[in-house]
Amino acid sequence: QKEVEQDPGPLSVPEGAIVSLNCTYSNSAFQYFMWYRQYSRKGPELLMYTYSSGNKEDGRFTAQVDKSSKYISLFIRDSQPSDSATYLCAPTMNSGGYQKVTFGTGTKLQVIP
Amino acid sequence: SQTIHQWPATLVQPVGSPLSLECTVEGTSNPNLYWYRQAAGRGLQLLFYSVGIGQISSEVPQNLSASRPQDRQFILSSKKLLLSDSGFYLCAWRLDADTQYFGPGTRLTVL
Repeated sequence: QKEVEQDPGPLSVPEGAIVSLNCTYSNSAFQYFMWYRQYSRKGPELLMYTYSSGNKEDGRFTAQVDKSSKYISLFIRDSQPSDSATYLCAPTMNSGGYQKVTFGTGTKLQVIP
Repeated sequence: SQTIHQWPATLVQPVGSPLSLECTVEGTSNPNLYWYRQAAGRGLQLLFYSVGIGQISSEVPQNLSASRPQDRQFILSSKKLLLSDSGFYLCAWRLDADTQYFGPGTRLTVL
C-alpha cells in the first residue's frame, strides 16, 4: 500500500464549478499537510498547508484534513481556467532532523472556459 | 525575498555520460536543501537532502550523488548516466517554516 494515494484524474470541470481534490494516507505519523500546484513543465508551488484536523481557507481555496480517517481534501471555489494544473497533496513529518514530505502522484485538473 | 535557481533548464545526454546539475538559493542563510526527481506518471521522489555545508544524506540507492560545497549551493552529479535517470529534477529549500519551496526544475533526457 502506498503511503499516499491520490486519484490521477484527469478531472475536467466547467469554469465556475467547485472542485474537490482528495488524498488518503496511511501513516499516522504525518504531522502537517501541504498542497502544491504544478503547472506543466514547471516546479511545484506551495498553495496551502495545515496542521490540524478541520478546515483552512485562503481565498478560493479550502484545505480540509480529517486525521481520524486519514483523508485530506482541497476545494477550489469558482474555478478558473488558470487553475488548470496538477495538484499534489503532500503529507509531512519531521524525521531525524529533516522534513520528510511524501508526495501524492498528483491529480490533473482541467477547467474548461 | 528568497529565490531559488536551477540550471540548466533542459538537458539531453547520452547514456554513460556524466551529469552535473546546480541549484542555488538567494536571500537566505543555512537553508535545508533537497533534490527530488519526478518521473512521468510518478510522484516526487526524494533523492538527497542537506542540512548544512558538506552534510548530505541519501534517501535511496541510485546512480547519483550530491554535494553542497557552499551554504546556498547544492549540486547533483553522476559519473555515468543510465536511461532510467531521465526525469524532471527539482531542488527545494526550507528554512524555519514547515514548508518547502521548489525551483523551476531541470528536465533531463538520457538517450
